[in-house]
Amino acid sequence: NAGVTQTPKFRILKIGQSMTLQCTQDMNHNYMYWYRQDPGMGLKLIYYSVGAGITDKGEVPNGYNVSRSTTEDFPLRLELAAPSQTSVYFCASTSSGRETQYFGPGTRLLVL
Amino acid sequence: DQQVKQNSPSLSVQEGRISILNCDYTNSMFDYFLWYKKYPAEGPTFLISISSIKDKNEDGRFTVFLNKSAKHLSLHIVPSQPGDSAVYFCAANGGGSNYKLTFGKGTLLTVNP
Repeated sequence: NAGVTQTPKFRILKIGQSMTLQCTQDMNHNYMYWYRQDPGMGLKLIYYSVGAGITDKGEVPNGYNVSRSTTEDFPLRLELAAPSQTSVYFCASTSSGRETQYFGPGTRLLVL
Repeated sequence: DQQVKQNSPSLSVQEGRISILNCDYTNSMFDYFLWYKKYPAEGPTFLISISSIKDKNEDGRFTVFLNKSAKHLSLHIVPSQPGDSAVYFCAANGGGSNYKLTFGKGTLLTVNP
């Protein structure tokens, strides 16, 4: 039982490049989330999903896209990377929304 | 507009003493509160939670107190250990959306040997 896994661990992007951050959970959780954490700040919700095929915007969705074709996977897409997207990205999952969220180890992204 | 506030960016305590981390919230609809702990280069991990129907929840060395009238909660760690050194995030759930957590900015706790 690996929990929530994220790849890559670290990535450097040039401005305007695109990439997909991968997130997979093996706990059969319906709810999945993407957060970003900037230095000295809390976690801000980017997108979330309450089940396969269902996604919705969080607090800071601009510049990102998501999809949820399976229960296990919840990839986050950056289409045109900007320096403001330099951050640490965390994926999380939970079984019923009100329960504890389990976090992945994070992806550190640097946009230059 | 910060709905969950952790006004102390950092806290330093001596090993064996009590650590008290504070959290305030503004949304009176929040009815479930959680504390997460985060080590560098790792994801946050759940520590302890409390429902608004309670005013205290205890788990070993960790106790969370909730004062609903003051919209304030606190995490007490007794006794503090060097391994407790981490960033602690307060989070709240409810307020019309049971799917999402609202996080504070975190407090860096340093426990000195």
